Amino acid sequence: KAGVTQTPRYLIKTRGQQVTLSCSPISGHRSVSWYQQTPGQGLQFLFEYFSETQRNKGNFPGRFSGRQFSNSRSEMNVSTLELGDSALYLCASSSTGRLNTEAFFGQGTRLTVV
Amino acid sequence: QQPVQSPQAVILREGEDAVINCSSSKALYSVHWYRQKHGEAPVFLMILLKGGEQKGHDKISASFNEKKQQSSLYLTASQLSYSGTYFCGTEKGGSQGNLIFGKGTKLSVKP
Repeated sequence: KAGVTQTPRYLIKTRGQQVTLSCSPISGHRSVSWYQQTPGQGLQFLFEYFSETQRNKGNFPGRFSGRQFSNSRSEMNVSTLELGDSALYLCASSSTGRLNTEAFFGQGTRLTVV
Repeated sequence: QQPVQSPQAVILREGEDAVINCSSSKALYSVHWYRQKHGEAPVFLMILLKGGEQKGHDKISASFNEKKQQSSLYLTASQLSYSGTYFCGTEKGGSQGNLIFGKGTKLSVKP
């Protein structure tokens, strides 16, 4: 069974640009969550999608947005990039997103803003 | 609020034991443990739920004290493969997508 796939793995963008990251969950999983990981702040929750609807949202500015498609694939978009957006962006999928269900993480997309 | 993990880092020799703690200032329904090796994705270890239900790998043990809002992960007879950063996650409420993770405990196991 294929794992969670994130593309691209590495990305370098210039301040002010926008970027779109993609996440393909495990087949059959309907919940996709996104996290930002930085050395100083650790893993911070961005948002969760379930059946194409945003179910939960973390404390990030509106420049961070996401969506989920009918096949459960998800994208996140960051507009007007800032240097501080440089981070590893991880997505995690789970079958239902319920609290008794394990999540499977992708390898992440390493975003560098210069 | 972000759970607090302790210690921040620990170095062990193979075969030694370690305990990693996770505490929260708010009432919890569940605690989730993950391990991340350098350059790799976090991997699920354990879920502990209020009421005593647990789900995880056989070789991992953990406890959840609901009254104290604390959880501990027990690593016994450590192996080199146990090295990595351990994260505990607590739910903000609702679904798992709301997990708030601690800053992690870096475990290094030496031969």
